[in-house]
Amino acid sequence: EAQVTQNPRYLITVTGKKLTVTCSQNMNHEYMSWYRQDPGLGLRQIYYSMNVEVTDKGDVPEGYKVSRKEKRNFPLILESPSPNQTSLYFCASSLGGAPYEQYFGPGTRLTVT
Amino acid sequence: GNSVTQMEGPVTLSEEAFLTINCTYTATGYPSLFWYVQYPGEGLQLLLKATKADDKGSNKGFEATYRKETTSFHLEKGSVQVSDSAVYFCALGSSNTGKLIFGQGTTLQVKP
Repeated sequence: EAQVTQNPRYLITVTGKKLTVTCSQNMNHEYMSWYRQDPGLGLRQIYYSMNVEVTDKGDVPEGYKVSRKEKRNFPLILESPSPNQTSLYFCASSLGGAPYEQYFGPGTRLTVT
Repeated sequence: GNSVTQMEGPVTLSEEAFLTINCTYTATGYPSLFWYVQYPGEGLQLLLKATKADDKGSNKGFEATYRKETTSFHLEKGSVQVSDSAVYFCALGSSNTGKLIFGQGTTLQVKP
């Protein structure tokens, strides 16, 4: 089954404790992206990757890091999480940029206390 | 810069009512336009899309037409069902970055 998986689905952590949210896709997609969803703001792009070893900042990259060492994986790293990074995070992948459909993972609910 | 504005929700309708969710955009060039739907506890999934002016996207009884003259992409459905209850996002696709720019989302609740 074609899918994007994220782990963990739920995470509660404390300020400053490094964490990684994994994202994996099995569709051989070139393009992958991370978004955060906040009430009243829709989804905003954090980082994206056009291909292996190629990443670039989205609209809200501060406080996040990513890497793309393999085509299927695109982990999101929070080196020193802060409470304002409490949010719902989605990973997505597609064949390329728009107009291709983006396939979304199920989301990771992160709470930073 | 590019942006998307959706009508605010929540929208509450009775089953079989007509649905319109307004979406307007600001963009340079010729973006692609999308409607994504998010059911409770799930990720977003593509509902329909249109890639050029006057294109009509349709799926599961939903329709939207890419109107360049009014910079709009309104979502419509003739007869909603309880199972259509979800959050609907209008989005604009940037061809150079692949980025989707989302509206704030509109919650639809359909009552039996």
